[in-house]
Amino acid sequence: ETGVTQSPTHLIKTRGQQVTLRCSSQSGHNTVSWYQQALGQGPQFIFQYYREEENGRGNFPPRFSGLQFPNYSSELNVNALELDDSALYLCASSLGPGQAFFGQGTRLTVV
Amino acid sequence: SQQGEEDPQALSIQEGENATMNCSYKTSINNLQWYRQNSGRGLVHLILIRSNEREKHSGRLRVTLDTSKKSSSLLITASRAADTASYFCATAAVYGNKLVFGAGTILRVKS
Repeated sequence: ETGVTQSPTHLIKTRGQQVTLRCSSQSGHNTVSWYQQALGQGPQFIFQYYREEENGRGNFPPRFSGLQFPNYSSELNVNALELDDSALYLCASSLGPGQAFFGQGTRLTVV
Repeated sequence: SQQGEEDPQALSIQEGENATMNCSYKTSINNLQWYRQNSGRGLVHLILIRSNEREKHSGRLRVTLDTSKKSSSLLITASRAADTASYFCATAAVYGNKLVFGAGTILRVKS
């Protein structure tokens, strides 16, 4: 157990819909990162939040957005869902560039 | 895009044998981390090696890092069926705030 909790664990959405994924970071960790992992591939960095501000973004379109709250929990929002957005979405919390602790992920299926 | 390249893509060994996985990367790093993933679930952190370290041990795991060749290896000794999983290397850059993952090595340990 890493102390990082993601919800929901599974989700099915229709193309064009919007989705919100949630992450509770490990106690004391002020940095939360989100990753997308397509089937058979390694995780790809979406963005990172540090003390409620976006602190770096990967090669993802603006319809991927996020928030970090004062308690350092975080949300990932995806608008106008596409079939290719089907993936495992992973949240990781950390203190700086050291070890990152990952949650169990949310499996999103877009139909 | 993924920086790391793991080699081999898949590895099948007998219980008790050693398993070696290799990782190459492209840019200067702050540290390199190895993770394990069981059946598309969350990532479990195995070991972190800093750019000024050459070798690190943790239980049955041994990691080496060669920054001149931009490569790392993970050795699992006396493998067990429970070691069956996908293994990923991830690099943290000197400047920046994300982990860049390779595509992973699928390890199968037969009992």
